[in-house]
Amino acid sequence: DAGVIQSPRHEVTEMGQEVTLRCKPISGHNSLFWYRQTMMRGLELLIYFNNNVPIDDSGMPEDRFSAKMPNASFSTLKIQPSEPRDSAVYFCASSVDRGLPQYFGPGTRLTVL
Amino acid sequence: ELKVEQNPLFLSMQEEKNYTIYCNYSTTSDRLYWYRQDPGKSLESLFVLLSNGAVKQEGRLMASLDTKARLSTLHITAAVHDLSATYFCAVDSDMRFGAGTRLTVKP
Repeated sequence: DAGVIQSPRHEVTEMGQEVTLRCKPISGHNSLFWYRQTMMRGLELLIYFNNNVPIDDSGMPEDRFSAKMPNASFSTLKIQPSEPRDSAVYFCASSVDRGLPQYFGPGTRLTVL
Repeated sequence: ELKVEQNPLFLSMQEEKNYTIYCNYSTTSDRLYWYRQDPGKSLESLFVLLSNGAVKQEGRLMASLDTKARLSTLHITAAVHDLSATYFCAVDSDMRFGAGTRLTVKP
């Protein structure tokens, strides 16, 4: 298995632009997570899905952030409009069942200028 | 709100020495996880501890869980440079992570 796949790996954009991050979980995994990591705030859970349904989105910073999981093999995290404080590494992760992530993707390093 | 506290946050060790990283959490939880992150890399799952008294070992690392004390420990035996990384604990009651312990093993 290729593991959790994220794209793009790096994204540099200007403030105000829309950013879409993509994730393909491991086949057969029922739970999918989006985390954000910064030096100041550490690892923050943004949202997690179980069987394609959002279970906890309390970590989504504000309305500028949205996440979807249209099917078991694909999820997106969208930021519109982006701001410099959104600069971080965004990780997608998945697991077989409910519980913490078993496998993390390589991350997307987002820089908003 | 659940709190997950790790200590120490920074640990500099000499090779061949032993040390323990502590993870305290504030509410009941069924499972506790330990992860490793190398600089600039993603996270790797190390251990899943499922019940009170659970102990798991992999190489020079051993993790244990005391659910009554709400405490998990990650013990490092005879440290080697390859263990240098940041170690996180997390509990599954709300999917939150501790701040991480940055371990540096020096010759």
